[in-house]
Amino acid sequence: AQTVTQSQPEMSVQEAETVTLSCTYDTSESNYYLFWYKQPPSRQMILVIRQEAYKQQNATENRFSVNFQKAAKSFSLKISDSQLGDTAMYFCAFTPLGGSQGNLIFGKGTKLSVKP
Amino acid sequence: DVKVTQSSRYLVKRTGEKVFLECVQDMDHENMFWYRQDPGLGLRLIYFSYDVKMKEKGDIPEGYSVSREKKERFSLILESASTNQTSMYLCASSLLGTDVNYYGYTFGSGTRLTVV
Repeated sequence: AQTVTQSQPEMSVQEAETVTLSCTYDTSESNYYLFWYKQPPSRQMILVIRQEAYKQQNATENRFSVNFQKAAKSFSLKISDSQLGDTAMYFCAFTPLGGSQGNLIFGKGTKLSVKP
Repeated sequence: DVKVTQSSRYLVKRTGEKVFLECVQDMDHENMFWYRQDPGLGLRLIYFSYDVKMKEKGDIPEGYSVSREKKERFSLILESASTNQTSMYLCASSLLGTDVNYYGYTFGSGTRLTVV
């Protein structure tokens, strides 16, 4: 079975500091997508970052970057210069390519609190 | 701005009532999904649909049914609401996973359903 594990149910960070959220996944597929989603207290889930497994380069989006280790099946999210607006639940997700209908497999989430 | 719209943010229903949750997307996506989100359990897939009139069971379909008569609309039906169906319900849509432009899900804002 394909699974996604987020080992940190809750984390906190001081404003302006850097924090890393962990995610590991289990799959026998060689081609797939990985995602990080953010769900602020207002509830709308939004895409933070997307990684294609066949690309070696780690994806970045402004203050958000990933450390993608394909052999280790690890996909951590680094948030630099944390802001109060980064307070949210963060979900890691995975979907295989090739015949997939696009269903995402989610981790259980990490609740991040950014403290002033 | 592309979006997924859920008809209600908050609903309160009585035990035994038939409940309809509506979701509409304007992105011409093939896939649509219904999840429920509960603290500590993450997102659990109830049903999904990859085409009009097509539906597939997810991980927790018991007590629910769905309808997709038009591509843009996906309805979740609680045939006889029970208190254990009190939850946050999230709708999402996406392109097919094999689409070169696949970019994961777009989520609605969620419906907080309370069954009393």
